[in-house]
Amino acid sequence: ILNVEQSPQSLHVQEGDSTNFTCSFPSSNFYALHWYRWETAKSPEALFVMTLNGDEKKKGRISATLNTKEGYSYLYIKGSQPEDSATYLCAWHNTNAGKSTFGDGTTLTVKP
Amino acid sequence: ETGVTQTPRHLVMGMTNKKSLKCEQHLGHNAMYWYKQSAKKPLELMFVYSLEERVENNSVPSRFSPECPNSSHLFLHLHTLQPEDSALYLCASSHQTTDTQYFGPGTRLTVL
Repeated sequence: ILNVEQSPQSLHVQEGDSTNFTCSFPSSNFYALHWYRWETAKSPEALFVMTLNGDEKKKGRISATLNTKEGYSYLYIKGSQPEDSATYLCAWHNTNAGKSTFGDGTTLTVKP
Repeated sequence: ETGVTQTPRHLVMGMTNKKSLKCEQHLGHNAMYWYKQSAKKPLELMFVYSLEERVENNSVPSRFSPECPNSSHLFLHLHTLQPEDSALYLCASSHQTTDTQYFGPGTRLTVL
């Protein structure tokens, strides 16, 4: 993988469903992986920063895992609520370039 | 955290106008960024400044001209724009270029 890819592009779930989506990134020269949540009409907000292979982070019903050797991170939402509706972005930092590369995002819609 | 502000929030300009977007952060960060988000497209990194020095310019047309007079302020000067430049322009800042970014509310630009 030469770029940052997120899947699926969009997701529609019912309230109460649990869901997960994927961020894939180059496995070489890994430095950090960030997850952001971007709600409509608001600014992107940081959720997690992950740096070590095997890292697991949790904030309320949202959690994330990291596998730097195979180049992917999963974001899980347990018991989705309508307020979880947003676009979830991941950003990959490598050790060579002093900047982040964002994925295209996964847009989650939670129906009441 | 709402430490990044952007003005104006909305801007409508003709193709022959010259205007500037302003971004200000009081978070003590050393890196600042300009992003563009066009309708139904992913976030595109335009420019990165680290310690007031431009470290990234992602093949952005010269009709966009950034300026970083100090570590707290970032401008994007616009001239002879095209209708396809209509988009949401987001500013962000971070401690270092590999750290979590904090985004401003954005400027919604419409070029007529």
